[in-house]
Formats: sequence, structure tokens, C-alpha cells
Amino acid sequence: GESVGLHLPTLSVQEGDNSIINCAYSNSASDYFIWYKQESGKGPQFIIDIRSNMDKRQGQRVTVLLNKTVKHLSLQIAATQPGDSAVYFCAENRYSTLTFGKGTMLLVSP
Amino acid sequence: GAVVSQHPSWVICKSGTSVKIECRSLDFQATTMFWYRQFPKQSLMLMATSNEGSKATYEQGVEKDKFLINHASLTLSTLTVTSAHPEDSSFYICSARARKNQPQHFGDGTRLSIL
Repeated sequence: GESVGLHLPTLSVQEGDNSIINCAYSNSASDYFIWYKQESGKGPQFIIDIRSNMDKRQGQRVTVLLNKTVKHLSLQIAATQPGDSAVYFCAENRYSTLTFGKGTMLLVSP
Repeated sequence: GAVVSQHPSWVICKSGTSVKIECRSLDFQATTMFWYRQFPKQSLMLMATSNEGSKATYEQGVEKDKFLINHASLTLSTLTVTSAHPEDSSFYICSARARKNQPQHFGDGTRLSIL
């Protein structure tokens, strides 16, 4: 199994490809979910959010899918660009605080 | 919109000194601010939650006397690391939220190095 803190899961894609980043959340009582992008040395940047009464939400080049049955969240990035390279975190909101997932590093090759 | 400014971005100091980090919401009023700590290649760990005008709520295992939090106004929260030691070296990040069930917006973090 994977050890927390030794490495991040990494997704490597070519520029122009579509990227899908997955996240499993832990608590069925969570009512709000957010995807954040974190570039090296910076704080997380809000990408898109979704409430638990929705299955899908679209933004500019990004789509978030929520499957409450299996407690799974995904972030789809269309036409991935080198500037999308970063670590992506999902976060679940419970009792007005966020619990962050482990993160996935997205590497986009030109 | 929703800009959060954190200062300083980098600080190096000697063991035993106290360090204050500021977090400001620039274009909105933040009823709640949060302080996180992040180790390399790891996720964000919540340290404490502060509501304007109230005492901060600390997560289990976080020392209140070591990490002093003040949220004196709707646009400013401060974290003071008291008598800092090398094991306090980390990346500290603040966030601010206008209302419940709205996204938190993050500052760019403070890299703290204690020699």
C-alpha cells in the first residue's frame, strides 16, 4: 500500500489530453465538496465546488462528478495545458470545516 | 474577487524566538478564518478555526499556548508561533471564508524555518 508522506500519486498526460483526477471521501454526512489546485510554494486555489444534492457541475474546462453511492469524487480537465501542472486536492466539508484528501500531482508534458 | 493575503511569505529565525504571521481578506469580510500546516508532499492539516471576536477552536494535538491565534476583525487573523523550535519549521497556510458552506479562499502560505 501507499505510505502517506513518501510520495504523491502522479498523473502524467500530454498537452491537449483530457485529465481525470479521482478522490474517495470518507464520510457520507459530508454535504459540500471542493477541488483545489496547489502550485509549488503557493496556497491552494479554488477550482470548482459541488453540493451533495448534485451529481455533476461544469466550469470552464473543468467538470466535477459526485457519486455518493460509492463516496467518490472526480475532477475532469479538458484539453489539459502545461499551466495545469500542479497538485490537486479534493476537500469534503463536514461541520463547516474542510478535510483534505491526500492530493494528486498532475504533470503535463508539452 | 476573494483574495487572501498572507504575510510574511518566508521567515527564518533563531530557535526560541516568536514569529507572527498575518492573514488578511482583501476584498471580502471573513467571518471565519482557518490555519493549516503542511509538510512536504503532504496534505493540509487543520490546526485551528477562528471566528471574529471569539476564541479560536484548536484541533486535537495542537498546542494552544504554542500557536496563538487572534481574529480581531473581519479581515485580519494572526498566528503567533511562540518560542519556536526547529520542529515548528513548516509551511503555514491561512484561509478565509465569508459564510458557511461557501469555499475557503487561501493565502499563499508562509514558509517558516527555525534554525
